[in-house]
Amino acid sequence: GENVEQHPSTLSVQEGDSAVIKCTYSDSASNYFPWYKQELGKRPQLIIDIRSNVGEKKDQRIAVTLNKTAKHFSLHITETQPEDSAVYFCAAADSSYKLIFGSGTRLLVRP
Amino acid sequence: KAGVTQTPRYLIKTRGQQVTLSCSPISGHRSVSWYQQTPGQGLQFLFEYFSETQRNKGNFPGRFSGRQFSNSRSEMNVSTLELGDSALYLCASRIAPLGGMEQYFGPGTRLTVT
Repeated sequence: GENVEQHPSTLSVQEGDSAVIKCTYSDSASNYFPWYKQELGKRPQLIIDIRSNVGEKKDQRIAVTLNKTAKHFSLHITETQPEDSAVYFCAAADSSYKLIFGSGTRLLVRP
Repeated sequence: KAGVTQTPRYLIKTRGQQVTLSCSPISGHRSVSWYQQTPGQGLQFLFEYFSETQRNKGNFPGRFSGRQFSNSRSEMNVSTLELGDSALYLCASRIAPLGGMEQYFGPGTRLTVT
């Protein structure tokens, strides 16, 4: 069945360093890959997404890359700040719009 | 524009009871999806409603059901509650049928089954 694997489960970086979170999906029909940030006690917040016809997308300090051949996509956060600390979820969806989520990465940015 | 809203925010129920959760999508959004979030299973898709019709369903037992009203508001019902149903239930809205695939989440309803 559909599956999205996400690594690492926890990530601790120094403020100002970069953070990279990687996901792998199994369904070749997946064509939409969003990333959500969830702070403690808050709702998941859509921070960036990418479609299968695009290899890379950037929004200020956040970027997402997609390798369709390898079925990999990654989230890159540069110049991390303490407020970036949260749990990040990747997801994949096909034309049914059903989001299949990864297991989450807890990012801690140390001041 | 107001975001997705969910009521109630917290619920405590007893095993065997049933519960109804409500979700109001962003104005103009016509699709509502429901997800269950637990520490063990993560975020799992329950079902999606569009135009008052269930369009897609996840791998949950028939005790989980939903519906959508003509104003796009959606309700989710869980009957014969089990301890394992304790979770954060999130709904997400999408413009549909055309437009982006972006889904925006509500704050969730925290259900505790005792």
